[in-house]
Amino acid sequence: GENVEQHPSTLSVQEGDSAVIKCTYSDSASNYFPWYKQELGKRPQLIIDIRSNVGEKKDQRIAVTLNKTAKHFSLHITETQPEDSAVYFCAASIGNNAGGTSYGKLTFGQGTILTVHP
Amino acid sequence: NAGVTQTPKFRVLKTGQSMTLLCAQDMNHEYMYWYRQDPGMGLRLIHYSVGEGTTAKGEVPDGYNVSRLKKQNFLLGLESAAPSQTSVYFCASSYSWVGSYNEQFFGPGTRLTVL
Repeated sequence: GENVEQHPSTLSVQEGDSAVIKCTYSDSASNYFPWYKQELGKRPQLIIDIRSNVGEKKDQRIAVTLNKTAKHFSLHITETQPEDSAVYFCAASIGNNAGGTSYGKLTFGQGTILTVHP
Repeated sequence: NAGVTQTPKFRVLKTGQSMTLLCAQDMNHEYMYWYRQDPGMGLRLIHYSVGEGTTAKGEVPDGYNVSRLKKQNFLLGLESAAPSQTSVYFCASSYSWVGSYNEQFFGPGTRLTVL
């Protein structure tokens, strides 16, 4: 099955700096890579996702890049703010393929605790 | 819309006791999932369902059973709780369009402690 490795496990930055979180995956059939943000005591919420036919996607201060050849993808947060402090999870999925058995199941990385110091 | 809801929010059990966690969604999603979240291990899939009356095993199914008698509800059961099942449990649901890349919507979680 799919295996997703996420690094670093903790990341501490100063407000205004950039933060980068990296993930690698093992199954070359994976084609959907979402990122979830989880604030303390809250549920995971999708912040950005990328599909295998795209190399980069940006949404305001956050961006995600995908290297299918190397099987890794990264989350980039620029101009970090204290409210960006949370746990971030990457995930990989084969999507919901016709006739297959993927059913959109996600395999998650171990999570990165991001702390942004004012 | 309430989205995905979970009952209860917190529970403390003694070893050997049983309980059922309820997940409900009002988005007419076909797919539903149960995860457990443990420190440093991300979210791991316990069981999932691709429609009313169907269930399937995920990554860590041992010690859990599930049922999907109604499309909007997905129940997770612990028949004989063990301390190793102390965790935060999240339910999620998603659309089922073939060929799609479906966002999973999560419930607020249930914090379970087994003594």
